[in-house]
Parts: sequence; structure tokens; C-alpha cells
Amino acid sequence: QLQLQESGPGLVRPSETLSLTCTVSGGSISSSSYYWGWIRQPPGKGLEWIGSIHYGGNTYYNPSLKSRVTISVDTSKNQVSLKVSSVTAADTAVYYCARTYTSSWHTFYLWGQGTLVTVSS
Amino acid sequence: SSELTQDPAVSVALGQTVRITCQGHSLRSYYATWYQQKPGQAPVLVIYAENNRPSGIPDRFSGSSSGNTASLTITGAQAEDEADYYCTSRDSSISRDSSGDHVVFGGGTKLTVL
Repeated sequence: QLQLQESGPGLVRPSETLSLTCTVSGGSISSSSYYWGWIRQPPGKGLEWIGSIHYGGNTYYNPSLKSRVTISVDTSKNQVSLKVSSVTAADTAVYYCARTYTSSWHTFYLWGQGTLVTVSS
Repeated sequence: SSELTQDPAVSVALGQTVRITCQGHSLRSYYATWYQQKPGQAPVLVIYAENNRPSGIPDRFSGSSSGNTASLTITGAQAEDEADYYCTSRDSSISRDSSGDHVVFGGGTKLTVL
């Protein structure tokens, strides 16, 4: 059964780069059938899509975050990575990775449990 | 601010029917997707492509759409349905703040089962 697990530092300093990894187990990240997405949720607030990627390299980004976000795939480690540069307190959130299907890359069928990242000095 | 608009809170008596709505320009072109999120948990997909349920989602959940409004209906709400519900859709509109394909989320609706 496919499972997703987010990991990374729980605390990031303002102006630095937030880096998270989503490790996929029970299946291959290299399947042409899937896209992999990142979504975040500030404490007590709603969900915000960050971006999505196919292992072949095609990506979609949230226009409001595009200038600071990079999503990549490491097929050798079966991982999807997220980097958000120049972070501020507004980037404090629970970050989720999720799996979609290529035919509906915008629908998140399976989610990881999420990881809380706090931006603070 | 969200490009999809949802009522912040809705309540329903146990066993009754409730409709949660979502409005936005993108819904004229793309189907709505609905997620349920309970406190401290990751969201769960409950409706996709307007009115399709993933395996394991009770058939009391259904979706519909008309014009720029999508709806999630729970027929015979149960106590375990109390949660936040988010609508989302694909959007390909080009505006001052966006270009190309992207995903938009509604602000969420908190459902209380009385």
C-alpha cells in the first residue's frame, strides 16, 4: 500500500530556505501514472496548493509562490523535494505531500500525515 | 484570498441533509473536488470530478454543479461527518496574479452536526 511521509526541519530562520522531503513507500515515484503535489496549511487556516510535479519533470506551481518555490524528484531515493526560499513567518504551516493521477493532476487522492514547519528566529 | 468562495460555517441536525456550496469562476470550466479534514488529521478526498466517490467514502456524500457553483451534499449526516470541508478545482485563467494551469482551494466550511 502506497504511503507518503514528509520530513525536514521543524524550525527555519526567516530569510532562509525551507527544505522538505516526501518519501514514497510501497510504490514507485517513477510511475508515469502519477503526479506528486505539495499543499500547506497555516495553523488554524485553510489549505493552499504549492505545486505539483511528474517524475518526468513537468511541473505546475502556485503563481503566488512560483518565484520562491522549487519542486523536484529524486527517483533513486523515491523522494519528492520542496524548497521555499526567503521564508517569512507567513510560511509557517503544516506541509503535506500528496499523490495524484496524471489524468487528473489537480486531484489529491492520497495524502501524507504532514509536517509542521515554523519560521522563527 | 481564495478564488473559490465557501461559507465559513454550516450546521445540520443529526440525520438531516446538508449542502455545502462553493462558488468560483473556475467551476464554469472545471469540476469541483471536495476534501474532508478532521482536527489534527490530513485531508481526505471525498468527491472528485464533480460526483465520484473514492473507495471507502459512504454513499451519503454526493456532489453536483450548476454554473459557477458546486455543492457537496451529505444526506443523513452522521456525527462523524463533523469536520472542515474544502472545495478545489483546476484553474487555467490568466490574470494579474496568475498564468497557466494551477489549483485553487476554497477557504473551507466548518460543518457542525447538532
